[in-house]
Order: sequence, then structure tokens, then C-alpha cells
Amino acid sequence: GAGVSQSPSNKVTEKGKDVELRCDPISGHTALYWYRQSLGQGLEFLIYFQGNSAPDKSGLPSDRFSAERTGGSVSTLTIQRTQQEDSAVYLCASSTRGQNYGYTFGSGTRLTVV
Amino acid sequence: QQQVKQSPQSLIVQKGGISIINCAYENTAFDYFPWYQQFPGKGPALLIAIRPDVSEKKEGRFTISFNKSAKQFSLHIMDSQPGDSATYFCAASKGSSYKLIFGSGTRLLVRP
Repeated sequence: GAGVSQSPSNKVTEKGKDVELRCDPISGHTALYWYRQSLGQGLEFLIYFQGNSAPDKSGLPSDRFSAERTGGSVSTLTIQRTQQEDSAVYLCASSTRGQNYGYTFGSGTRLTVV
Repeated sequence: QQQVKQSPQSLIVQKGGISIINCAYENTAFDYFPWYQQFPGKGPALLIAIRPDVSEKKEGRFTISFNKSAKQFSLHIMDSQPGDSATYFCAASKGSSYKLIFGSGTRLLVRP
């Protein structure tokens, strides 16, 4: 596609429920990243995919967070047993390869846990 | 551990004025310093970036100034316009890393 697409754009969920956030990167971009943007905070790195592999999961805050990528394309970030502190905007980005430049970010999913 | 500190948190500037946002970093291995602009409801977009082999980079009304010895860099927006109203993030990265370390952001409001 022309840009990075994320869905849903907004998600309200009850505490304790599981949620799935989807990212559709730019076609041909082998690298995909998830970042989290909490209110008043900068972007926090969560995970990096190269193809379908995740060589760096160091930013995932707990074992309630997991992510996968299939077909070298779409990625899903799953948060199990959501907590209020999980409320944030989850941003996905892609680039032609794993690099610190050339990121294209999606518009994000705003997650609210009530 | 916050590796990139950004200030101010918010900034109000009159149209035509100069907006200045500052960032300081700790890790001397960082060698790539981009600035991102984010409008409400949108993802951040790369605005301008600098590497430490130069002290200044200018693109249109946007200029990055870089002080390697002080481990600081700043964004200057000349002739600020209401359309520049957005949140600005500085970031830093090292070598061939894929990971960006972001500052906490500055919300800029340019009054007409």
C-alpha cells in the first residue's frame, strides 16, 4: 500500500480482556517496528521484525505482550489481560530494511483500558 | 533510563517568530539525530536529520544545530507558521542500529 496502515484506529477495552492490534506495512518493506506512545511521553521501542523473525523483543514490557508477523507483511501485536497502564497509542513503522532512517509510521491505534 | 532529554514540554510562539526546541543525549555512541513532526491523529513523520560530522543542517525554514562536545542538538523553526503547530520529537540512534531513542516531545502552538 501507499502507507503503513493500522487498525483499529481506536480501541476501548475492559481491564482483563485481550486485544489485538494490526499493522499492514508498506509493500516490500522487510523491517517492521512497534513503538508505544504514552500520554506526555516519547515513543518507546517495543519490538523489531526482520521478515517474519523478531531479533529484538527487548522493549516488550511484560509477558502479556506478544507480536507476530506473517508472510513478511502483516503484523499483530497482542496484549493479554489488559491493564490500565497499557493505555497508550501503539505505533507501527516499517522501512526497507532494519535501519534507523527511512521509517514510515502508521497513524497508530489508541488503546484505552477501562 | 532516559537517554534523550527534550525541552521545553510545550511552546507557544507568535506567527513569524522563531521556535527553538532543545535535546540533550548521554550516549556518545549516538551518531544519527533525527527530528520528527507529529500532527494530531497522525504518526510521526521525519522532518530533518543530522549526523555529527556537521554542526548545522538547514532545510527550508527548519535548521538543526549540533554541539558534539556538549552532547546537545536543537531544532530551530524560522518564520513559524500556524501550520507548524504540532508535536516535535527529537531522537537519537547509533551506527547501523534500527532502534530510535526518542525524547519526550514538545507541543508547539503557533498563534496567528
